[in-house]
Parts: sequence; C-alpha cells; structure tokens
Amino acid sequence: DAGVIQSPRHEVTEMGQEVTLRCKPISGHNSLFWYRQTMMRGLELLIYFNNNVPIDDSGMPEDRFSAKMPNASFSTLKIQPSEPRDSAVYFCASTLGRGVSYNEQFFGPGTRLTVL
Amino acid sequence: DQQVKQNSPSLSVQEGRISILNCDYTNSMFDYFLWYKKYPAEGPTFLISISSIKDKNEDGRFTVFLNKSAKHLSLHIVPSQPGDSAVYFCAARAGGTSYGKLTFGQGTILTVHP
Repeated sequence: DAGVIQSPRHEVTEMGQEVTLRCKPISGHNSLFWYRQTMMRGLELLIYFNNNVPIDDSGMPEDRFSAKMPNASFSTLKIQPSEPRDSAVYFCASTLGRGVSYNEQFFGPGTRLTVL
Repeated sequence: DQQVKQNSPSLSVQEGRISILNCDYTNSMFDYFLWYKKYPAEGPTFLISISSIKDKNEDGRFTVFLNKSAKHLSLHIVPSQPGDSAVYFCAARAGGTSYGKLTFGQGTILTVHP
C-alpha cells in the first residue's frame, strides 16, 4: 500500500523563481496537511484541507505561498516568487477521520527546497 | 505563540539506559497527544499516543505519561537502543472539529551511544 507521495524530493532554484511542490495523499484519506520544517521552529503547519476544502491557511507565511487541492488525490503548494528564507523541508501528511474522530497523520518523505 | 514546547533540543544516552523526552503544552483544549519519530531524509512516523482520559500508555519499550494538571507529557524509552537515535516530535490535537489538525513541538534529537 503506497504511502503519501511527494515530488520532487529535492528542488534547487534561484531567488524569484516559481516553485511548485506536489503531494498525493493516501487513498481514502480525507484530510491533507502541508508542513514546513526548520531548525528554529520545528514542524509548522502551513495549511490543511478537509474533503478538498481549505480549512485553515493561517500558517501560510505570506501571499507568496498558495495551495490547492483540486481533487482527493492531489495537492500542490506553490511559492511565487521564492526567496532564500523559504529554504526548508516541506512535508505533506494525510489522515482519515469522521466527525470529531481522527487517526494519526501519515507523512510523506518531504521535499527539500533550496532557494539560492 | 508556541502551544507545544520541547525545551530540550537534544538528549544523549547510553545504550541500555532509559531515555526520557519531555513536552509541555499550554492549550487546555488539547485532548489527544502523539509522539512521532523522524529519521534523516524521511518523513515523521507515528510512534505512540495517549488520550487525555488516561495518564499512561505503553507499547513495548515505549511509554508515554501524561500529567494534565501540569500540562506535561513525557516519552520513556527503556532500554534505549542505537536504532532509536532520531528526532522525536511531540504533537497535540484539540477536540471538536479540528479535522485531525496537530500542533507540533520543535523536536528533540535523541542520540543513543553503543
């Protein structure tokens, strides 16, 4: 059974370029989460979706960041324009729940982003 | 505002001894707590959890303790093994319609020496 799939695994880009990170959640899961990991702040939640609808994007650092989930099996996180301070590891996670009962989140392997 | 805090950035223990990782939280709405383990170049993986109606949960070498009055939880690993060396994240979930949202701490790097 495939886990959460993220692509690319590594991305190196230059300041000002557009970056798109991709995520395929586990089939059947109905919540999807985007995180950013940095040394200083640990795992920060950027945005999450439930049944493809964005629920909370208060963690998105700036308007340069945007996320979409056009269907239950695909999500993107876009940074435009990218800046060196965006360099981090970005994780996607998914979970299955009903009502107020949710299981633990399953994480993808992450995308290491370097902005020069 | 850091609602979940892991105040020890790192911990070093000898193989066979006990590892104790600590976590504090401030939000009284949290009713479910989890520990995740992360190896380099991999995503975090779920390790163990505890509901706020319990004060202890065991799974093999791993035990999580919850002290609600102190808003503190800890993860005990006994005995520690070199393969336990990883980053450990504490996470908390609020009740209600949070859709499974977790708030994570900053992580603690555990190193177990042979």
